[in-house]
Parts: sequence; C-alpha cells; structure tokens
Amino acid sequence: QSALTQPRSVSGSPGQSVTISCTGTSSDVGSYNYVSWYQQHPGKAPKLMIYDVTKRPSGVPDRFSGSKSGNTASLTISGLQAEDEADYYCCSYAGSYTWVFGGGTKLTVL
Amino acid sequence: EVQLVESGGGLVQPGGSLRLSCAASGFTFSSYSINWVRQAPGKGLEWVSYISSSSSTIYYADSVKGRFTISRDNAKNSLFLQMNSLRAEDTAVYYCARLNGLNFDYWGQGTLVTVSS
Repeated sequence: QSALTQPRSVSGSPGQSVTISCTGTSSDVGSYNYVSWYQQHPGKAPKLMIYDVTKRPSGVPDRFSGSKSGNTASLTISGLQAEDEADYYCCSYAGSYTWVFGGGTKLTVL
Repeated sequence: EVQLVESGGGLVQPGGSLRLSCAASGFTFSSYSINWVRQAPGKGLEWVSYISSSSSTIYYADSVKGRFTISRDNAKNSLFLQMNSLRAEDTAVYYCARLNGLNFDYWGQGTLVTVSS
C-alpha cells in the first residue's frame, strides 16, 4: 500500500489552533473508521493521541481532536502549547490486518 | 504499567540475519495481538507485521514478506521477529506495538537495526 499523505510541516503560535490533514484512498481511510494519530518527540516512541477517528485515550488533553471526511482524516490541536511540538503520524487500517501510516508532519510551535 | 521492551538490534551485513525480541509486562500478553512497526532514520513509520493473540493469524507487509517471520511465546510473554536476507533498506528502529481494537495503544522504545557492510 502507498503511504497516506500528510503535509511535511505545520506551525502555529501558542494558544492558536492547527489542523493536520491525512489523505488516503477508498481502500483505507475511506473504508474504515479506524484512523489513529500518534505523537512522536525526537528519540522517543510514538504515543497514541487519537483512535477510531475521533476518540481520545485516557490522559490525552481534550485540545486534541480528530475527524474524517471521505478519504481524508484530520487532527486538530487547539490552544497550542510548547510541549505539542513534535512529529505527528496518522495511521489507517487497510483491511486483512494490515495498516498504512502517513509520512509524518512536523509541528512547530512558534 | 504496560511495558514493551525490544532487544536484539545491531549491525549486520547485507544478506545476513537477525532476531529481534520484545518482552511484555504489565498486561495479559496472551490476550492481545502484537505488531512490529519500523522507522528508517529520519523517515516515517512503516507497519511490518501482525500476529494474533494465539498466533493463528499472521500478516506481513509486502516489503518483508518471505524474508521476515513473526512469532510469539505466550508462556514467556515474548514476541519475536526473525529477519533474514537483510537489505540496506531494512535499516530502521524496530518497535513492537500492542494492538487494542485496531489501533496501536502501547509501543516499546525500539531497537536499532543497521544493515551495512
């Protein structure tokens, strides 16, 4: 499968909101409500931030939210904080116990 | 506390083999499917392989099919990845990740595999 398409970078000032898009196909994002988002700080393991398109694991601030329309999923971070600066990856279930990730988006908090 | 700890990475020559391990603790290992996900230096994440809780179902990414073998030992709370015929493009940090529903909810810290002569 081909990787999902994410913008290489996004930026925002503290307190602002940013949205990261994740575009797939009708075989992955468009077919399943199993899109997840992962935050990765340099040298660290990925951390689950959003699962099943819109759900937040316990402990993840409600500033993080997810949505999906057609073949495109989105992660919105509101009230940006310095500690949100990281790489973000989307992931979609692609059927038959296979998954596809996005190329990653570097979030810079100005 | 859920913990996944990978080991076994290192430097290997092209064409060589390596066996990675992932030791799990803090949860009932035998009840969860586990995956391997890798990340080449400076690159994004790539799903590699899936194994169901009972080992009855296994899948691989096309990029590793026929060269990598995933297995697990529920009695020892351990996951393995046997990697053969290694190529330069297999160079990456390899993570084990627990599957919850169809999402990866816990990840290990990763182990680096470098394929180079």
